[in-house]
Amino acid sequence: AQTVTQSQPEMSVQEAETVTLSCTYDTSESDYYLFWYKQPPSRQMILVIRQEAYKQQNATENRFSVNFQKAAKSFSLKISDSQLGDAAMYFCAYRNPTQGGSEKLVFGKGTKLTVNP
Amino acid sequence: GAGVSQSPRYKVAKRGQDVALRCDPISGHVSLFWYQQALGQGPEFLTYFQNEAQLDKSGLPSDRFFAERPEGSVSTLKIQRTQQEDSAVYLCASSSWTGGGLQPQHFGDGTRLSIL
Repeated sequence: AQTVTQSQPEMSVQEAETVTLSCTYDTSESDYYLFWYKQPPSRQMILVIRQEAYKQQNATENRFSVNFQKAAKSFSLKISDSQLGDAAMYFCAYRNPTQGGSEKLVFGKGTKLTVNP
Repeated sequence: GAGVSQSPRYKVAKRGQDVALRCDPISGHVSLFWYQQALGQGPEFLTYFQNEAQLDKSGLPSDRFFAERPEGSVSTLKIQRTQQEDSAVYLCASSSWTGGGLQPQHFGDGTRLSIL
């Protein structure tokens, strides 16, 4: 079974600085999908960024980018120019390719990000 | 609707009672998921529907948990004879087609269930 590990339970960053959240995963699949979700105290999970495993190019969404290292099974999230609104729990998630199978997400335990003014 | 809607937002029940949690997905979304999120943990998969068909229920922790989506839209998660370990936030998510790929799952605000 696939597993996702987030080794940093908590991280903090100064406003306007850059922070990197780590994520590793375990799978025997060659193609799969990876996601970062943000969960503020309001509880709603919000998609931050996504990556397909067979694409070499790292995904970027405005201030958010990933460092995807397929051989190392690593999928870290970099947040540039951190803002107070970035404070939240961040979850890394994995999904198998579908082809008739379940589309379920497998989540890590999360990293709580604090942004200091 | 504009997003995934879950009700109630909070539910308190006494141990042994039955509860029903409702999820109204984004209109037209084929896939619907239920996850259980314990305090301080990441969500864990419970079950998955494609339209009205329940294709994966491997995450349901016991036969006290039952989910349905009879008309392929609204879904209900029912927990019978609740126990304290059922206390958690129950998240519902939907996505627009079953081809998967990078299609994201859109989550509701969740129902926080507390069993006394």
